[in-house]
Amino acid sequence: GAVVSQHPSWVICKSGTSVKIECRSLDFQATTMFWYRQFPKQSLMLMATSNEGSKATYEQGVEKDKFLINHASLTLSTLTVTSAHPEDSSFYICSARVGLARGEQYFGPGTRLTVT
Amino acid sequence: AQTVTQSQPEMSVQEAETVTLSCTYDTSENNYYLFWYKQPPSRQMILVIRQEAYKQQNATENRFSVNFQKAAKSFSLKISDSQLGDTAMYFCAFHNFGNEKLTFGTGTRLTIIP
Repeated sequence: GAVVSQHPSWVICKSGTSVKIECRSLDFQATTMFWYRQFPKQSLMLMATSNEGSKATYEQGVEKDKFLINHASLTLSTLTVTSAHPEDSSFYICSARVGLARGEQYFGPGTRLTVT
Repeated sequence: AQTVTQSQPEMSVQEAETVTLSCTYDTSENNYYLFWYKQPPSRQMILVIRQEAYKQQNATENRFSVNFQKAAKSFSLKISDSQLGDTAMYFCAFHNFGNEKLTFGTGTRLTIIP
């Protein structure tokens, strides 16, 4: 149980275009999902917390107009990188919390974004 | 704010040996969870083990066990009979009751040598 999928696993886009990454909880309902960014050989950096039916909460320093997050259902959250630049190239990971009482998050397999 | 420190950037051990990864954390809270996550070369984050702070008994999951010292704010992971598939980055993480976020350490890169 507690499987999270992410699509696509790898995407290449041209500078100035937008790209959407989907995060789905496959066998449970996730009222809260999280989006992380990970640079090579580094830890996960939380970008935003996404709650179903409400606006996402962004971490300090994360541009909310550049990284658009939508959590329209209990099983789907999307991250759209708008007007992508080469410096946005990174590994993006989503996660979902199973329940507040348990605390742990289950992670998707990640999306490698390359902006050329 | 909570902080999580992993002081061992890299470790290596021979297959079948036992290895211990260190983690310390800083918090003023009393109720929280601690986790160890594994990130193999595939980069899929996998939950290895969890520990509730209110439980004195150390958590175990097959070959994985923790040494939780609440007063010392220490949470180490012991891997027994290490296997090649244990090669991965290991992240210690903290979760405070009532806070949605996980706070991660910087990670320890563990290599199991055949």
